[in-house]
Amino acid sequence: AQRVTQPEKLLSVFKGAPVELKCNYSYSGSPELFWYVQYSRQRLQLLLRHISRESIKGFTADLNKGETSFHLKKPFAQEEDSAMYYCALSEGNQGGKLIFGQGTELSVKP
Amino acid sequence: GAVVSQHPSRVICKSGTSVKIECRSLDFQATTMFWYRQFPKQSLMLMATSNEGSKATYEQGVEKDKFLINHASLTLSTLTVTSAHPEDSSFYICSATTGGAGSLNEQYFGPGTRLTVT
Repeated sequence: AQRVTQPEKLLSVFKGAPVELKCNYSYSGSPELFWYVQYSRQRLQLLLRHISRESIKGFTADLNKGETSFHLKKPFAQEEDSAMYYCALSEGNQGGKLIFGQGTELSVKP
Repeated sequence: GAVVSQHPSRVICKSGTSVKIECRSLDFQATTMFWYRQFPKQSLMLMATSNEGSKATYEQGVEKDKFLINHASLTLSTLTVTSAHPEDSSFYICSATTGGAGSLNEQYFGPGTRLTVT
């Protein structure tokens, strides 16, 4: 069965420290992977998608098919990065529906 | 950018009554809308996929007679929670995409509706 796993419920780092939010998936086909972010009192919004291969707000994520991972990284965390981060998988032949991981709360302390 | 609205943002209803939640795409036509449910501090659980002009596709374990979905136009989908019970209390979120079946277009999310059943 398709599944997205984010092993950390809470990740707390100090400002300027590197951050890595882990995401592993299980899917038999070729998935599309996404990271969504939800800032306090705001709606869920797309942060980045693996096919774009871009860096958004200093975040990057590389799809590793061998390890079935799509970890989100940023070399220097900022306080404004504090938010809930959700990894999601799209099944390409299922109308674009998303399967979300459990979410990781990132807390960046001053 | 694309904006999705939900109405109401909060609703409190008595057990046994029905509640309708609206999801609108404000500046684009949404061929597909999705309904999610989110429990506190938990992930989003997909309930159903709604395509304009056709019946919604429900995920396993979601009662279609309890959660009625209507996608009447390219800008509006509604979720009606029928005969609501306290266990239906949750945060309901919709998303919309411009793509049809098989599309990987970005989903734009609404702000959510907090339902409390007393």
